[in-house]
Amino acid sequence: KAGVTQTPRYLIKTRGQQVTLSCSPISGHRSVSWYQQTPGQGLQFLFEYFSETQRNKGNFPGRFSGRQFSNSRSEMNVSTLELGDSALYLCASSSRTGPFSVLTFGAGSRLTVL
Amino acid sequence: AQKITQTQPGMFVQEKEAVTLDCTYDTSDPSYGLFWYKQPSSGEMIFLIYQGSYDQQNATEGRYSLNFQKARKSANLVISASQLGDSAMYFCAMREGEYGNKLVFGAGTILRVKS
Repeated sequence: KAGVTQTPRYLIKTRGQQVTLSCSPISGHRSVSWYQQTPGQGLQFLFEYFSETQRNKGNFPGRFSGRQFSNSRSEMNVSTLELGDSALYLCASSSRTGPFSVLTFGAGSRLTVL
Repeated sequence: AQKITQTQPGMFVQEKEAVTLDCTYDTSDPSYGLFWYKQPSSGEMIFLIYQGSYDQQNATEGRYSLNFQKARKSANLVISASQLGDSAMYFCAMREGEYGNKLVFGAGTILRVKS
């Protein structure tokens, strides 16, 4: 069974550009969550999608957006990149939501903003 | 607001010995879930163990066990018979409430296993 696949694994952008990251969940998983990991702030929740609907959103500016497609694949977009957006972006999927669901993470997309 | 505290920035353990990684949490919700994840240098978060707030027994998964003390709001991870491959960052996380998959993470503990 294939795991959570994130692409690209590494990317370098310059300030002001935008970036789109992709996440393919485990087959059958309908919930996808995104997290940002930085040395200073640690792991922070960005947003969660379930059946193409955003269910929850973290405390990030509007430059951060996401969406989920009918096949459960998800993308997140960051516009007008800032140096502080340099981070490891992790995607996690789950077959369901609620107290007994376990999130399986992908290997992450490491973004460097110059 | 929910909060996870991991007070040990780094830990050393001798190979084949047991080690306990501390985690305390704060929440006002009676229903929550507690997780431990391992993050090797490659960056991928690997699920280790889960404990639900209503579970009566401590969770165990192979060499991993979770020492859940609800009254003290602690959920410590115990790794028995440490191996060199256990060297990694370990995160405690909590999901609050019945629905959704939003996790709050602690700052993490770096574990180094010595041979």
